[in-house]
Amino acid sequence: EVVMTQSPLSLSVTLGQPASISCRSSQSLVHRDGNTFLTWFHQRPGQSPRRLIYQVSYRDSGVPDRFTGSGSGTYFTLKISRVEADDVGIYYCMQGTYWPTFGGGTRVEI
Amino acid sequence: EVRLVESGGGLVHPGGSLRLSCEASGFTVATNYMSWVRQPPGKGLEWVSIVYPDGNTYYKDSVKGRFIISRDRSENTLYLQMSGLRGEDTALYYCAGDTVANNADYWGQGTLVTVSS
Repeated sequence: EVVMTQSPLSLSVTLGQPASISCRSSQSLVHRDGNTFLTWFHQRPGQSPRRLIYQVSYRDSGVPDRFTGSGSGTYFTLKISRVEADDVGIYYCMQGTYWPTFGGGTRVEI
Repeated sequence: EVRLVESGGGLVHPGGSLRLSCEASGFTVATNYMSWVRQPPGKGLEWVSIVYPDGNTYYKDSVKGRFIISRDRSENTLYLQMSGLRGEDTALYYCAGDTVANNADYWGQGTLVTVSS
């Protein structure tokens, strides 16, 4: 099983300031087809997860361009350029190159 | 608009069985990738099972031989038959769907399964 390790575990941010979350995989996430199946989800308190980013850097419909995914191989990053109040919650990275596994989550608070 | 609505959760004794349902609207269960993802109380997410459009099914190692994922084309509904339930199966079970494998664009609201004596 591919282990996904996120850091930090929690993040306290100031409104309007940037934030960054890292995600590292125990092995390369490059699929034999050449794609890299790394996804980011956001889960607000009491809600279901919502997908933000897929295949490392593609934003889902309706996701603000304040959110940017990047990375390759085994190291990935989610950046929020200017944090808003609505961004609080837990962020999870997930790999789908192998049997899907999630990172432990990063809690973002204001 | 895509809606996934789970049901069937509840309290069950260790060793017992339960069947979860996920009724879909705005999204065709039989022609997309449908999954069950669970979240133990206060913890992170775990992918449990997935069924491909071609009918192939896959499971997390710890549930193999105990859980069965299936779908009903006419009802546009996904199921998870769970047997031999253990305490570590206690979780909020989400139904999720996508047009590609091993991903989840659409999520239900979850149904809670509690395994306890």
